[in-house]
Amino acid sequence: GAVVSQHPSRVICKSGTSVKIECRSLDFQATTMFWYRQFPKQSLMLMATSNEGSKATYEQGVEKDKFLINHASLTLSTLTVTSAHPEDSSFYICSASGPNTGELFFGEGSRLTVL
Amino acid sequence: GEDVEQSLFLSVREGDSSVINCTYTDSSSTYLYWYKQEPGAGLQLLTYIFSNMDMKQDQRLTVLLNKKDKHLSLRIADTQTGDSAIYFCAEKKGGKLIFGQGTELSVKP
Repeated sequence: GAVVSQHPSRVICKSGTSVKIECRSLDFQATTMFWYRQFPKQSLMLMATSNEGSKATYEQGVEKDKFLINHASLTLSTLTVTSAHPEDSSFYICSASGPNTGELFFGEGSRLTVL
Repeated sequence: GEDVEQSLFLSVREGDSSVINCTYTDSSSTYLYWYKQEPGAGLQLLTYIFSNMDMKQDQRLTVLLNKKDKHLSLRIADTQTGDSAIYFCAEKKGGKLIFGQGTELSVKP
């Protein structure tokens, strides 16, 4: 099946710094990608919808200035956690619609730990 | 995932069939999905079904959809220890995926 790749898989940073996570569709083009957050032992929470060439659409309660999303090409979306704090520590996962109707593939996830 | 509900745990013996159930609320959902998540990993798309279908089979996996009752199930035949994971069902609403809480499948040898 189609592959979605995330990088880095794990990142540890100091409080107050910014961290960028990349999401790439490796063998198909994705005009729309989605960013989710997952807390331990919980389900996925949609944070925002990333649209190629336009502004992201954020879910209610998600701070757009805190979680900056850029979707500059058809194969790459980035999520930047700005001025990270320990409460931002989480597992962040992206997804993209595959080339066949109905397909939705997820990346491997990125675990962020803010000290 | 308050719109999508799953039981939290299921335990089966190796070789038995596993049936994971899910209920959803929006009859206008176009697609319904099953994903598998192993510890520390992302979500692996197992299968998905279009809302006008009743059943879909793919090797050991069988998906049944009852639109009237808004009930979706995933049957895993000949369950193996490698099938131990958390299984999420999800419905597609307006382009977004709404997930259930996940069912933790434990396979005992």
